[in-house]
Amino acid sequence: EADIYQTPRYLVIGTGKKITLECSQTMGHDKMYWYQQDPGMELHLIHYSYGVNSTEKGDLSSESTVSRIRTEHFPLTLESARPSHTSQYLCASTAGGMVVNEQFFGPGTRLTVL
Amino acid sequence: AQTVTQSQPEMSVQEAETVTLSCTYDTSESDYYLFWYKQPPSRQMILVIRQEAYKQQNATENRFSVNFQKAAKSFSLKISDSQLGDAAMYFCAYTRNFGNEKLTFGTGTRLTIIP
Repeated sequence: EADIYQTPRYLVIGTGKKITLECSQTMGHDKMYWYQQDPGMELHLIHYSYGVNSTEKGDLSSESTVSRIRTEHFPLTLESARPSHTSQYLCASTAGGMVVNEQFFGPGTRLTVL
Repeated sequence: AQTVTQSQPEMSVQEAETVTLSCTYDTSESDYYLFWYKQPPSRQMILVIRQEAYKQQNATENRFSVNFQKAAKSFSLKISDSQLGDAAMYFCAYTRNFGNEKLTFGTGTRLTIIP
């Protein structure tokens, strides 16, 4: 399996709490992504980064924020969790360069907001 | 905007038989990549196969092959000699060839293998 990790794997939290979902990869990849996936549904890109200090919003609007201070680390933060944020969040990474490369996915964090 | 459509929410196949999963896409680009990803239950999503649009030859990876019809914007996945470990959600995905790898996914097909 790919060297990309996400913690926690499962999180149940109350409304209004601040949460941070961790994502790290040991492959030295420049490009990293966050996807949101509802059960049985497709993945939607919510954030991406092409390198340190580079972050962009994805195609699906999200109230979450991300940061990229280190190449290997791409955390996602929700300042005030709401039930509408309940979903699975997948992190992915790929090597940089001009060639389109395979994305490697983490195991996901399943978030439930009560 | 690019769209990817998978019209089969669920498919099933007998073990050792062959199954084909359908995918169509819409794009105005001529240079792009198509992928099939596999998401087993409670496990990480992994790449099954990829196809570069400029290549006329269909990609093949062991028991997995694609039928890429560029004019029809169709990209089906054939799994031969199906095995129990093939049971998963299969997602078709598209990206333009501009090096940013922003993937657009289809809604997925859940494949069940019948022993």
